[in-house]
Amino acid sequence: NAGVTQTPKFQVLKTGQSMTLQCAQDMNHNSMYWYRQDPGMGLRLIYYSASEGTTDKGEVPNGYNVSRLNKREFSLRLESAAPSQTSVYFCASSVIGTLGYGYTFGSGTRLTVV
Amino acid sequence: QKEVEQNSGPLSVPEGAIASLNCTYSDRGSQSFFWYRQYSGKSPELIMFIYSNGDKEDGRFTAQLNKASQYVSLLIRDSQPSDSATYLCAVTGYKLIFGSGTRLLVRP
Repeated sequence: NAGVTQTPKFQVLKTGQSMTLQCAQDMNHNSMYWYRQDPGMGLRLIYYSASEGTTDKGEVPNGYNVSRLNKREFSLRLESAAPSQTSVYFCASSVIGTLGYGYTFGSGTRLTVV
Repeated sequence: QKEVEQNSGPLSVPEGAIASLNCTYSDRGSQSFFWYRQYSGKSPELIMFIYSNGDKEDGRFTAQLNKASQYVSLLIRDSQPSDSATYLCAVTGYKLIFGSGTRLLVRP
């Protein structure tokens, strides 16, 4: 099925460990985004990539890095995980910015840092 | 001041009633407005978008936009228990800024 695929779906890390969240879309979208969702906080933008080859910081970029590997793939890396990074992470994509149709979201990654 | 504000709820309505969800935003330059539905443990799903002042209807859903008042709302007619979810308002600009969502509970 067409859409946005995120891996893994669940992950438990120890404080200080690193990991990469993977995201791929097969809709030929130009823009891709990483959000985190915490209870009562809504969705907060971590990083985004307006087009292949570009990345920009969002509201809460500290502690994260991203790579736009190609048009399809946009990864999020936690270099040294902290308990404050326990959250649900969503990847999303759109045609160009938000023209017309908003975003399509992946199914999310539930990350727990202990 | 948060950029997009919503009442967290829960908003409880009986089955068959009209549910009214509200959202205010701070950026007067916002151009596009979206409503997402998110079931517990699932990802957000786009249900409505609106660009122009006035109303936009799609089945049981009506989005209303008032740019002068910086206000957008979502009406759900004939509410069903399956409508019970968190509804996220989002506005843009270039990238979407989300509100924290309103939890809707439709009582059978």
